[in-house]
Amino acid sequence: ILNVEQSPQSLHVQEGDSTNFTCSFPSSNFYALHWYRWETAKSPEALFVMTLNGDEKKKGRISATLNTKEGYSYLYIKGSQPEDSATYLCAPTTGQGGKLIFGQGTELSVKP
Amino acid sequence: GAGVSQSPSNKVTEKGKDVELRCDPISGHTALYWYRQSLGQGLEFLIYFQGNSAPDKSGLPSDRFSAERTGGSVSTLTIQRTQQEDSAVYLCASSADSGGDYEQYFGPGTRLTVT
Repeated sequence: ILNVEQSPQSLHVQEGDSTNFTCSFPSSNFYALHWYRWETAKSPEALFVMTLNGDEKKKGRISATLNTKEGYSYLYIKGSQPEDSATYLCAPTTGQGGKLIFGQGTELSVKP
Repeated sequence: GAGVSQSPSNKVTEKGKDVELRCDPISGHTALYWYRQSLGQGLEFLIYFQGNSAPDKSGLPSDRFSAERTGGSVSTLTIQRTQQEDSAVYLCASSADSGGDYEQYFGPGTRLTVT
């Protein structure tokens, strides 16, 4: 059973601030790491799928890095905007099918 | 194109009743997943289907829960003799394949309340 930890649990920032979250997971049997954004009253939306140690992906103001040897991933948001307010979830997979084991998430609130 | 759809969006049922939740995946997606989020909890894997292979049921919390996928498309999650602890948002997702490096596309969910 994978134990996935995300920190912080919640974060309140001002518009324009840059922020980052951490996802920790067991490094053994690692296959891929998913990041999702889940806005209230909407469906979870995929941000990144990462597989390689040292991988870095970027989508607009959001980027993520992956360290599979030590079992962690960082998600960065540059210049946060109110529309970035959401819960950010990470989920590793072991490659036994695509079932995702989610962390508890980081709830981000960006105030204008 | 059309995304993942789920029905009903909300369901209120009495304890002990059976309920069926439906999921229509994205056309052509071979893998289909069910997850749920109970109050105060994270998203929890329940079951997944890949093509004609036997489903992975390892996340189903009890034998009151079952799911089927007909014709490799629509899926139904059935909960028998519902209990209050079954109250949760049930999410369905589909992906082009079941490899762990494929993005999963989620539906809007069904909010189940057991009274």
